[in-house]
Amino acid sequence: NAGVTQTPKFRVLKTGQSMTLLCAQDMNHEYMYWYRQDPGMGLRLIHYSVGEGTTAKGEVPDGYNVSRLKKQNFLLGLESAAPSQTSVYFCASSGRGMNTEAFFGQGTRLTVV
Amino acid sequence: GQNIDQPTEMTATEGAIVQINCTYQTSGFNGLFWYQQHAGEAPTFLSYNVLDGLEEKGRFSSFLSRSKGYSYLLLKELQMKDSASYLCAVRDQGVVAGGSYIPTFGRGTSLIVHP
Repeated sequence: NAGVTQTPKFRVLKTGQSMTLLCAQDMNHEYMYWYRQDPGMGLRLIHYSVGEGTTAKGEVPDGYNVSRLKKQNFLLGLESAAPSQTSVYFCASSGRGMNTEAFFGQGTRLTVV
Repeated sequence: GQNIDQPTEMTATEGAIVQINCTYQTSGFNGLFWYQQHAGEAPTFLSYNVLDGLEEKGRFSSFLSRSKGYSYLLLKELQMKDSASYLCAVRDQGVVAGGSYIPTFGRGTSLIVHP
Protein backbone atom coordinates (compact mmCIF):
# COMPACT_ATOMS: atom_id res chain seq x y z
CA ASN A 1 0.00 0.00 0.00
CA ALA A 2 1.91 3.03 -1.28
CA GLY A 3 -0.40 5.76 0.09
CA VAL A 4 0.31 9.06 -1.71
CA THR A 5 3.08 9.13 -4.28
CA GLN A 6 4.50 12.28 -5.87
CA THR A 7 6.81 12.54 -8.84
CA PRO A 8 9.33 13.93 -9.35
CA LYS A 9 11.02 14.43 -5.97
CA PHE A 10 13.39 17.13 -7.22
CA ARG A 11 13.39 19.40 -10.26
CA VAL A 12 15.23 22.46 -11.46
CA LEU A 13 13.49 24.61 -14.07
CA LYS A 14 14.51 27.65 -15.99
CA THR A 15 12.23 30.68 -15.88
CA GLY A 16 9.48 30.28 -18.45
CA GLN A 17 9.64 26.50 -18.68
CA SER A 18 6.62 24.36 -17.98
CA MET A 19 6.21 21.17 -16.03
CA THR A 20 3.62 18.89 -14.46
CA LEU A 21 3.80 17.41 -10.98
CA LEU A 22 2.08 14.08 -10.62
CA CYS A 23 0.25 12.84 -7.54
CA ALA A 24 -1.27 9.40 -7.17
CA GLN A 25 -3.14 7.87 -4.23
CA ASP A 26 -4.28 4.31 -3.77
CA MET A 27 -6.64 4.82 -0.80
CA ASN A 28 -9.77 5.61 -2.86
CA HIS A 29 -9.90 9.08 -1.30
CA GLU A 30 -12.38 11.62 -2.59
CA TYR A 31 -10.41 14.74 -1.69
CA MET A 32 -7.00 15.68 -3.00
CA TYR A 33 -4.95 18.80 -2.40
CA TRP A 34 -1.84 20.58 -3.59
CA TYR A 35 0.06 22.70 -1.06
CA ARG A 36 3.24 24.67 -1.27
CA GLN A 37 5.51 25.13 1.74
CA ASP A 38 7.90 28.02 2.05
CA PRO A 39 10.09 28.95 5.04
CA GLY A 40 8.06 30.80 7.64
CA MET A 41 4.85 30.49 5.62
CA GLY A 42 3.56 27.07 6.55
CA LEU A 43 1.49 25.02 4.12
CA ARG A 44 -0.56 27.10 1.72
CA LEU A 45 -3.31 25.57 -0.38
CA ILE A 46 -2.90 26.00 -4.14
CA HIS A 47 -5.81 23.98 -5.56
CA TYR A 48 -7.95 21.15 -4.37
CA SER A 49 -10.43 18.61 -5.67
CA VAL A 50 -13.44 17.04 -4.00
CA GLY A 51 -13.91 14.35 -6.61
CA GLU A 52 -13.06 13.10 -10.06
CA GLY A 53 -13.55 15.81 -12.66
CA THR A 54 -13.81 18.66 -10.12
CA THR A 55 -11.22 21.20 -9.03
CA ALA A 56 -11.27 24.44 -7.08
CA LYS A 57 -8.88 27.27 -6.25
CA GLY A 58 -7.20 27.51 -2.89
CA GLU A 59 -5.36 30.36 -1.23
CA VAL A 60 -2.54 30.80 -3.79
CA PRO A 61 -3.74 29.50 -7.19
CA ASP A 62 -2.12 32.04 -9.54
CA GLY A 63 0.39 30.54 -11.95
CA TYR A 64 -0.86 26.98 -11.45
CA ASN A 65 -3.43 24.73 -13.08
CA VAL A 66 -4.72 21.33 -12.00
CA SER A 67 -6.65 18.40 -13.39
CA ARG A 68 -8.37 15.39 -11.83
CA LEU A 69 -9.30 13.17 -14.75
CA LYS A 70 -9.08 10.01 -12.64
CA LYS A 71 -10.02 9.69 -9.00
CA GLN A 72 -6.59 8.44 -7.99
CA ASN A 73 -4.57 11.14 -9.76
CA PHE A 74 -4.23 14.88 -9.21
CA LEU A 75 -1.90 16.81 -11.53
CA LEU A 76 -0.40 20.23 -10.85
CA GLY A 77 0.85 22.20 -13.83
CA LEU A 78 3.11 25.21 -14.10
CA GLU A 79 2.71 26.73 -17.55
CA SER A 80 5.48 29.33 -17.30
CA ALA A 81 7.63 28.87 -14.22
CA ALA A 82 8.81 31.89 -12.22
CA PRO A 83 11.45 32.14 -9.48
CA SER A 84 8.64 32.91 -7.01
CA GLN A 85 7.41 29.36 -7.55
CA THR A 86 10.58 27.93 -6.03
CA SER A 87 9.16 25.92 -3.16
CA VAL A 88 8.45 22.48 -1.77
CA TYR A 89 5.16 21.13 -3.09
CA PHE A 90 3.09 18.60 -1.18
CA CYS A 91 0.18 16.62 -2.46
CA ALA A 92 -2.31 15.19 0.04
CA SER A 93 -5.52 13.20 0.03
CA SER A 94 -8.28 12.51 2.51
CA GLY A 95 -11.56 10.71 2.77
CA ARG A 96 -14.96 12.37 2.88
CA GLY A 97 -15.72 11.92 6.59
CA MET A 98 -15.26 14.70 9.12
CA ASN A 99 -12.58 12.97 11.15
CA THR A 100 -10.48 11.75 8.26
CA GLU A 101 -6.97 13.09 8.32
CA ALA A 102 -4.93 14.04 5.28
CA PHE A 103 -2.18 11.77 4.04
CA PHE A 104 0.75 13.51 2.41
CA GLY A 105 3.14 12.60 -0.33
CA GLN A 106 6.87 12.97 0.24
CA GLY A 107 7.05 16.34 -1.47
CA THR A 108 8.63 17.79 -4.60
CA ARG A 109 11.45 20.28 -4.19
CA LEU A 110 11.24 22.66 -7.15
CA THR A 111 13.82 25.32 -7.93
CA VAL A 112 13.20 27.88 -10.66
CA VAL A 113 16.31 29.71 -11.82
CA GLY B 1 -11.56 33.02 6.02
CA GLN B 2 -9.40 31.72 8.79
CA ASN B 3 -6.66 33.08 11.02
CA ILE B 4 -4.48 30.53 12.79
CA ASP B 5 -1.71 31.48 15.19
CA GLN B 6 1.05 29.34 16.65
CA PRO B 7 4.39 30.25 18.23
CA THR B 8 7.20 30.13 15.71
CA GLU B 9 9.70 28.25 17.81
CA MET B 10 9.96 26.53 21.17
CA THR B 11 12.78 24.76 22.96
CA ALA B 12 12.57 22.14 25.68
CA THR B 13 14.71 19.62 27.52
CA GLU B 14 14.67 15.89 26.96
CA GLY B 15 12.31 14.22 29.43
CA ALA B 16 10.31 17.39 30.06
CA ILE B 17 6.75 18.36 29.09
CA VAL B 18 5.95 20.99 26.47
CA GLN B 19 2.67 22.60 25.45
CA ILE B 20 2.25 24.05 21.96
CA ASN B 21 -0.67 26.43 21.63
CA CYS B 22 -2.83 27.19 18.62
CA THR B 23 -5.48 29.89 18.42
CA TYR B 24 -7.85 30.27 15.53
CA GLN B 25 -10.67 32.39 14.18
CA THR B 26 -12.93 30.68 11.69
CA SER B 27 -16.52 30.32 10.60
CA GLY B 28 -18.25 26.97 10.48
CA PHE B 29 -15.68 25.06 12.54
CA ASN B 30 -15.46 21.37 11.62
CA GLY B 31 -12.46 20.05 13.46
CA LEU B 32 -8.85 20.74 14.34
CA PHE B 33 -5.86 18.59 13.45
CA TRP B 34 -2.30 18.42 14.67
CA TYR B 35 0.45 17.15 12.39
CA GLN B 36 4.13 16.49 12.98
CA GLN B 37 6.70 17.27 10.32
CA HIS B 38 10.35 16.34 10.59
CA ALA B 39 12.80 18.38 8.53
CA GLY B 40 12.75 17.34 4.90
CA GLU B 41 9.82 15.01 5.36
CA ALA B 42 6.06 15.05 4.83
CA PRO B 43 3.63 15.99 7.61
CA THR B 44 2.11 13.05 9.46
CA PHE B 45 -1.14 13.01 11.43
CA LEU B 46 -1.03 13.22 15.23
CA SER B 47 -4.50 14.03 16.51
CA TYR B 48 -8.00 15.29 15.75
CA ASN B 49 -10.40 17.24 17.95
CA VAL B 50 -13.91 18.31 17.08
CA LEU B 51 -15.52 18.40 20.55
CA ASP B 52 -14.27 20.29 23.60
CA GLY B 53 -11.89 18.42 25.83
CA LEU B 54 -8.74 16.41 25.91
CA GLU B 55 -7.78 13.59 23.56
CA GLU B 56 -4.91 11.45 24.79
CA LYS B 57 -2.75 9.24 22.62
CA GLY B 58 0.31 7.88 24.34
CA ARG B 59 2.80 10.64 25.09
CA PHE B 60 0.79 13.13 23.04
CA SER B 61 -2.46 14.81 24.05
CA SER B 62 -4.50 17.48 22.32
CA PHE B 63 -7.03 19.83 23.87
CA LEU B 64 -9.77 21.90 22.27
CA SER B 65 -11.97 24.77 23.46
CA ARG B 66 -14.31 25.80 20.67
CA SER B 67 -15.71 28.78 22.57
CA LYS B 68 -12.21 30.20 23.00
CA GLY B 69 -10.92 29.20 19.56
CA TYR B 70 -8.01 27.51 21.27
CA SER B 71 -6.17 24.23 21.14
CA TYR B 72 -2.94 22.90 22.51
CA LEU B 73 -0.74 19.91 21.86
CA LEU B 74 0.91 18.47 24.95
CA LEU B 75 4.02 16.35 24.57
CA LYS B 76 5.19 14.42 27.61
CA GLU B 77 8.50 12.67 28.34
CA LEU B 78 10.15 14.50 25.49
CA GLN B 79 12.61 12.59 23.35
CA MET B 80 15.22 13.91 20.95
CA LYS B 81 13.21 12.48 18.06
CA ASP B 82 10.34 14.85 18.97
CA SER B 83 12.37 17.70 17.49
CA ALA B 84 10.17 18.65 14.57
CA SER B 85 7.66 21.20 13.34
CA TYR B 86 4.12 20.87 14.71
CA LEU B 87 1.33 22.08 12.47
CA CYS B 88 -2.12 23.08 13.63
CA ALA B 89 -4.81 22.77 10.92
CA VAL B 90 -8.40 23.93 11.16
CA ARG B 91 -11.16 22.69 8.94
CA ASP B 92 -14.23 24.69 8.11
CA GLN B 93 -17.00 24.18 5.64
CA GLY B 94 -15.86 25.04 2.16
CA VAL B 95 -17.86 26.85 -0.46
CA VAL B 96 -17.90 23.93 -2.87
CA ALA B 97 -21.27 22.28 -3.18
CA GLY B 98 -21.48 19.03 -1.31
CA GLY B 99 -20.04 20.27 1.96
CA SER B 100 -16.34 19.82 1.42
CA TYR B 101 -14.11 20.29 4.40
CA ILE B 102 -10.84 21.89 3.51
CA PRO B 103 -8.12 22.15 6.16
CA THR B 104 -6.14 25.38 6.54
CA PHE B 105 -2.75 25.14 8.18
CA GLY B 106 -1.04 27.44 10.59
CA ARG B 107 2.61 28.34 10.02
CA GLY B 108 3.81 25.63 12.35
CA THR B 109 5.84 25.59 15.56
CA SER B 110 9.43 24.40 15.36
CA LEU B 111 10.21 22.42 18.51
CA ILE B 112 13.85 21.89 19.46
CA VAL B 113 14.53 19.26 22.11
CA HIS B 114 17.99 19.41 23.66
CA PRO B 115 19.72 17.00 26.04
